[in-house]
Amino acid sequence: GESVGLHLPTLSVQEGDNSIINCAYSNSASDYFIWYKQESGKGPQFIIDIRSNMDKRQGQRVTVLLNKTVKHLSLQIAATQPGDSAVYFCAENPGGYQKVTFGIGTKLQVIP
Amino acid sequence: NAGVMQNPRHLVRRRGQEARLRCSPMKGHSHVYWYRQLPEEGLKFMVYLQKENIIDESGMPKERFSAEFPKEGPSILRIQQVVRGDSAAYFCASSPRNQPQHFGDGTRLSIL
Repeated sequence: GESVGLHLPTLSVQEGDNSIINCAYSNSASDYFIWYKQESGKGPQFIIDIRSNMDKRQGQRVTVLLNKTVKHLSLQIAATQPGDSAVYFCAENPGGYQKVTFGIGTKLQVIP
Repeated sequence: NAGVMQNPRHLVRRRGQEARLRCSPMKGHSHVYWYRQLPEEGLKFMVYLQKENIIDESGMPKERFSAEFPKEGPSILRIQQVVRGDSAAYFCASSPRNQPQHFGDGTRLSIL
């Protein structure tokens, strides 16, 4: 079936460097994408979202890029901090309502 | 404004018992979603409810699992005659219409 998946299961980054987390999706009908951050023992926390009519959206220290041609999504974190250590999930919302399909997740480890 | 509240945070049951998981959505949110997460995996959609209605239960097993979101009170996910395979973290999310979902911190269910 259609799914959302991630390229890298674990990413180690030096504190202060930029992080890039990638995600591939296969449902061409998806029109809304979300990045979530999940810390140990906590629920997913909304980071940033993007609609399919955009290719870039920026938040505080985070940028999401969407390439619909190759069905690719990425999350860029600027000046990565120890508090950014977590598992990051991309998720998609097929059109209609808000049922969210999550990818497997990428674990981001920040090295002090 | 309190976030999504789930209780209990941890629940231990013996095989064959019943498990009841509660979720109080954020104030003003009329949409509730339940997800299940196994270790090192993403969240899997189970069911989507609005007040007094089940909108989509396509991710919920047909046997032993049920969910409700009454007019008054929290949403309940009920698992009857639990088995070892039901051990997981169960997350609830809520949202207003057409807005991103906000997640609770989950209930960790352990089956002895």
